[in-house]
Amino acid sequence: KNEVEQSPQNLTAQEGEFITINCSYSVGISALHWLQQHPGGGIVSLFMLSSGKKKHGRLIATINIQEKHSSLHITASHPRDSAVYICAVGRETSGSRLTFGEGTQLTVNP
Amino acid sequence: GAVVSQHPSWVICKSGTSVKIECRSLDFQATTMFWYRQFPKQSLMLMATSNEGSKATYEQGVEKDKFLINHASLTLSTLTVTSAHPEDSSFYICSARDRQGAGQPQHFGDGTRLSIL
Repeated sequence: KNEVEQSPQNLTAQEGEFITINCSYSVGISALHWLQQHPGGGIVSLFMLSSGKKKHGRLIATINIQEKHSSLHITASHPRDSAVYICAVGRETSGSRLTFGEGTQLTVNP
Repeated sequence: GAVVSQHPSWVICKSGTSVKIECRSLDFQATTMFWYRQFPKQSLMLMATSNEGSKATYEQGVEKDKFLINHASLTLSTLTVTSAHPEDSSFYICSARDRQGAGQPQHFGDGTRLSIL
């Protein structure tokens, strides 16, 4: 079992739909990161959070430390949101290293 | 925001060639940089962690003599793939952070797609 698991692996939505991507982890963490990888490969850091909820534009990230679970929500999805979304955790015992989930391929159709 | 520049973005070369990839932090000083490798449809795999002024820490299974890492300044780390072979073809991406600790954000470069013929 991977230490960081994401679901779903693939997600197809229609423009305007509300999207949720889930991330569960099994280790103690210092922080959880949500990353967006574009088709060309470049990665953008969307959120880093260790508790509660953060919002940036149409993106919302939540984390429940007790349940070891985080969600990334996209409201009013748009085709330009199509990308791979990656959950990564900074483990308490591994210093600076991140452990990555396998990613969720999101496709938003017009 | 913090910007990490990675160069080149795309390399095609012959087997046996050595290839150098640069990772620069443009508007901050990076005490730590990370080098990752990603195969198609797979997640990022950490290859090594480089700290400015000291030797890189390699992950298990990564050959230090094959993948040479130099982090000589607070804004530049380089990864050299020595005597590259087709199996080294992959997407290499770096990230940088300006403070210690897993609780600080990492800023990623745009990656380098390496193809060895």
